[in-house]
Amino acid sequence: EVQLVESGGGLVQPGGSLRLSCAASGFTFSTYSMNWVRQAPGKGLESVSYISSSSSIINYADSVKGRFTISRDNANNSLYLQMDSLRAEDTAVYYCASTKYWGQGTLVTVSS
Amino acid sequence: DIVMTQTPLSLSVTPGQPASISCKSSQSLLYSDGKTYLYWFLQKPGQPPQLLIYEVSNRLSGVSDRLSGSGSGTDFTLKISRVEAEDVGVYYCMQSRQLPRTFGQGTKVEIK
Repeated sequence: EVQLVESGGGLVQPGGSLRLSCAASGFTFSTYSMNWVRQAPGKGLESVSYISSSSSIINYADSVKGRFTISRDNANNSLYLQMDSLRAEDTAVYYCASTKYWGQGTLVTVSS
Repeated sequence: DIVMTQTPLSLSVTPGQPASISCKSSQSLLYSDGKTYLYWFLQKPGQPPQLLIYEVSNRLSGVSDRLSGSGSGTDFTLKISRVEAEDVGVYYCMQSRQLPRTFGQGTKVEIK
């Protein structure tokens, strides 16, 4: 069974940092490009960051460029998102996803 | 970035009646490999999005044949031949022709 399990979300003050993790199982993680997609409360889906299977191609939404860093560890079937200089507008559920497979999401709340 | 525009933003449908959602992209989604990178997702309340259709018209295994995707270039359509209660939720189109991946605003489908 395919599983993507996110962790690391929580409440953080503006300007703070969080590191999200995603543990993958049930498929050949190392052959899939991966994404972080977020959904603000009551809003639509926004692609935050993309990483190719070998990490050779990385892309960020303009809204997070320079503040977020995506990475992966294929040996450990894991995807990460380092989030720095967090803002209130970063408050959202963050999903770890390939195109076909999605995790349940982890909530990040940026508030003082 | 490629802008994805969905219409309508909401639909109220009588069970057994058809429904149609339009998705237009600001640039052609046809890639040099001959594939068109347009996807359809359904997000049911409280759940992550689930992939329904990939590359315009290919239904994922297990997806009802009441759902069909069509289109080319910049104009795409998702059709539900006979709406059932299980079809309720928010439908999103997404393009992966160019990074960053971008989503439509979502179309909320409800039952009358």
